[in-house]
Amino acid sequence: GAGVSQSPRYKVAKRGQDVALRCDPISGHVSLFWYQQALGQGPEFLTYFQNEAQLDKSGLPSDRFFAERPEGSVSTLKIQRTQQEDSAVYLCASSLQGGYNSPLHFGNGTRLTVT
Amino acid sequence: AQKITQTQPGMFVQEKEAVTLDCTYDTSDPSYGLFWYKQPSSGEMIFLIYQGSYDQQNATEGRYSLNFQKARKSANLVISASQLGDSAMYFCAMREVTGTGGFKTIFGAGTRLFVKA
Repeated sequence: GAGVSQSPRYKVAKRGQDVALRCDPISGHVSLFWYQQALGQGPEFLTYFQNEAQLDKSGLPSDRFFAERPEGSVSTLKIQRTQQEDSAVYLCASSLQGGYNSPLHFGNGTRLTVT
Repeated sequence: AQKITQTQPGMFVQEKEAVTLDCTYDTSDPSYGLFWYKQPSSGEMIFLIYQGSYDQQNATEGRYSLNFQKARKSANLVISASQLGDSAMYFCAMREVTGTGGFKTIFGAGTRLFVKA
C-alpha cells in the first residue's frame, strides 16, 4: 500500500478483555515501531522490530503487552486483560532501513478506550 | 531521564511571521539523528525535517529549517512565513542506537503552535 495502515481505527474494550491491534507497514520497510500516545503527550516508545526480529521491547509497560511480526511485514500488538490506564492512541511506524537518517512513516493510529 | 526537552507547551504566532520551536536533547552517543514531526488535529504524524549529528550545515526543507547547535545540544525548528495550516502539535525526536544494535526514536512532549490570522 501507499502508507502505513492500522486497524481498527477505534476500539472500545471492557476492562479485562484482550485486544489485538494490527499494523501493515509500507512494503519493503525493514524497521517497525509501536508507540503509545496519551492525549496531549508525545509518543512513548513501546517496541521495535527489524524484519521479524524484535530488537527492543524495553518500552512495553507490562507483561500484558506483547508484539509480534512473524514474517517481517505485518505486526500485531496484543494487550491482555486490558486496564483503564491502557486507554490511548497506539501508533505504528515503519522506516525503510535501520540507520540514523531514516524517518518514520506513521499510520493513523488505533484509539483504544477501555471502559 | 528526559532525553528530549521541549520547554514550550504552547506558542502563538501571527500569520506570515516566523516562529522558533525549541528543542534540546541529551545523549552521550556521538552518532544520532534529529527529526521534527507535525501532528495536526486529525492525528497523523508528518515528517518535516532531518539533521544528522555529523552534518555541518543546518537542514532546510521549504519553509522549515533546523537551527542545529551541537555543543549546546539544541535543535530548534524555525518555520518561516507561518500559515494557518501550520497550527498543530510539533514534536522533536532523536534516533540513536540501542544496546541491542537497533535504532530507537524517542520523542519530546511537543509544542502546540497556534497561528493567528
